Amino acid sequence: NAGVTQTPKFRILKIGQSMTLQCTQDMNHNYMYWYRQDPGMGLKLIYYSVGAGITDKGEVPNGYNVSRSTTEDFPLRLELAAPSQTSVYFCASSYSDRNTIYFGEGSWLTVV
Amino acid sequence: AQTVTQSQPEMSVQEAETVTLSCTYDTSESDYYLFWYKQPPSRQMILVIRQEAYKQQNATENRFSVNFQKAAKSFSLKISDSQLGDAAMYFCAYRPNNAGNMLTFGGGTRLMVKP
Repeated sequence: NAGVTQTPKFRILKIGQSMTLQCTQDMNHNYMYWYRQDPGMGLKLIYYSVGAGITDKGEVPNGYNVSRSTTEDFPLRLELAAPSQTSVYFCASSYSDRNTIYFGEGSWLTVV
Repeated sequence: AQTVTQSQPEMSVQEAETVTLSCTYDTSESDYYLFWYKQPPSRQMILVIRQEAYKQQNATENRFSVNFQKAAKSFSLKISDSQLGDAAMYFCAYRPNNAGNMLTFGGGTRLMVKP
């Protein structure tokens, strides 16, 4: 079972560059999430989606954009990368907001 | 706003011994879920155990069990017969049972297992 798949696993960006972190899930989950985890910290919610065509801001949305054109995919876009966006990014999904959340393996992003 | 606090940045346990990781949370909700996640060096987040607040019985999953004290807003994780593979970061997380509410994580506890 693939579960939640994120790409790329590692990326180095220069300040001001843009990139998209891809996330796809094959569990037919309605809810999808993007979290970031800074060193030594817990996870903070960036954006989430309750279904195709619907997205909402989480706790730390500034500097990011998302889209949800299909149930399976939930890409996270970084525009004008900044050093403060250096972090590990986790995509996750769940069937509903009352079910267990399943995480991807994480994407390491460094902005220099 | 809900907060989750893990007061132990690091814990150490001897292989085959038992260790308890602490977690407290602050909420005005009465219906919610609590979780423990394990994050090994690979950084993948793995669900260890989950507890529904309306259930009085403590959740158990093999060597992992919780001590859920709703009045005290405490949710500790007990790992019995610790194994080297248990070494990881452990995160406590909370989610109220209202539509649209998402997980709130604690800061994590790093567990080291000594052979």
